[in-house]
Amino acid sequence: EPEVTQTPSHQVTQMGQEVILRCVPISNHLYFYWYRQILGQKVEFLVSFYNNEISEKSEIFDDQFSVERPDGSNFTLKIRSTKLEDSAMYFCASSEGGQRGTQYFGPGTRLLVL
Amino acid sequence: AQKVTQAQTEISVVEKEDVTLDCVYETRDTTYYLFWYKQPPSGELVFLIRRNSFDEQNEISGRYSWNFQKSTSSFNFTITASQVVDSAVYFCALRGGDYGGSQGNLIFGKGTKLSVKP
Repeated sequence: EPEVTQTPSHQVTQMGQEVILRCVPISNHLYFYWYRQILGQKVEFLVSFYNNEISEKSEIFDDQFSVERPDGSNFTLKIRSTKLEDSAMYFCASSEGGQRGTQYFGPGTRLLVL
Repeated sequence: AQKVTQAQTEISVVEKEDVTLDCVYETRDTTYYLFWYKQPPSGELVFLIRRNSFDEQNEISGRYSWNFQKSTSSFNFTITASQVVDSAVYFCALRGGDYGGSQGNLIFGKGTKLSVKP
């Protein structure tokens, strides 16, 4: 069964460093998303991406964040200069259809900023 | 504004008990979608069900059942004869329809942590 994959599973970085989180969405899906979950809290939407551009972003997704689909399979989230409060689990999701499609999530990348 | 409320923070039951997880939502969209996801201790988010706002039929899948009541804006989830493997955090989520041109981001509740003891 096709699934969303994410790498790395864990990432530890120093404050101020850049990190890139990678995702491979399900191959026939067209809509891609990033969410984050601070430890013990609810899952929060960051950004949605369709047709090679951002469709929607939340207040969390400020200028420190960027997304890219560098090739036909990968979907990346870059945090330019990490802060302590960026420590969280980051989930990638993809869906076949925007509003009507079901979003399937990857296993997440646990980011720890020291 | 759209909002999902899961009032139960934690529930603990003994194996084989039935348990219902509550979810109440708010939206001004006439078309919307409701979801339940399971997050086991390993951390991934597992899709369980999607329900469209125009389909109020309740659904049963094995030991799982869902009760969608538009009149009370609720989408409750019942596990019958719970098992230890059901121990997880369960999230209810809402996605609005066409209002505001949203491409479909999910709004999650805070989750209910279910512990099933042997």
